Amino acid sequence: QKEVEQNSGPLSVPEGAIASLNCTYSDRGSQSFFWYRQYSGKSPELIMFIYSNGDKEDGRFTAQLNKASQYVSLLIRDSQPSDSATYLCAVGRNNFNKFYFGSGTKLNVKP
Amino acid sequence: NAGVMQNPRHLVRRRGQEARLRCSPMKGHSHVYWYRQLPEEGLKFMVYLQKENIIDESGMPKERFSAEFPKEGPSILRIQQVVRGDSAAYFCASSPAEGIGTEAFFGQGTRLTVV
Repeated sequence: QKEVEQNSGPLSVPEGAIASLNCTYSDRGSQSFFWYRQYSGKSPELIMFIYSNGDKEDGRFTAQLNKASQYVSLLIRDSQPSDSATYLCAVGRNNFNKFYFGSGTKLNVKP
Repeated sequence: NAGVMQNPRHLVRRRGQEARLRCSPMKGHSHVYWYRQLPEEGLKFMVYLQKENIIDESGMPKERFSAEFPKEGPSILRIQQVVRGDSAAYFCASSPAEGIGTEAFFGQGTRLTVV
């Protein structure tokens, strides 16, 4: 079983729609959760992080965490073509900041 | 405040040669992580280092790969006797400290091509 699982996609949504990206993780001891965006040929950049159960909103992005279900998601409202990228879910454990990454979900936002 | 600096950005090596990848963490960051990304795949953890210490190398291949983060200077990922399967993007990330909530920031990566 992989540490972090994501649907590889591609996920296609029309411009202006809500894109929903999902991630599950295997270790119940995981304590920090991150979403990174990676454009083709570029390095990952941090979009959001969340540590507590519930929702966290930042602009058009909302991260949702459910530790009981070991599930974390990212919602992108009013999707734009510039949001087209691969979204990586990362999970941090313990105090050592060892991050486990999923293989990413490719998002295509169609104009 | 410069970000995480990796060099070279692109590296071409013939089979059997050695590859040295360098990573200078962000100022004030003492934790360094190396990840490998194969084409069309996600990031795979290789090694986690603090100054002069390897904390976790569970993702490193047992042979040919080594990493260090000396007291002075950048972190080095060294691949000896490279093979075609080593061709990938190698990303370095750094974070400021241990503990929950200290996110990692990535460098631009080194793209290694073995010919």
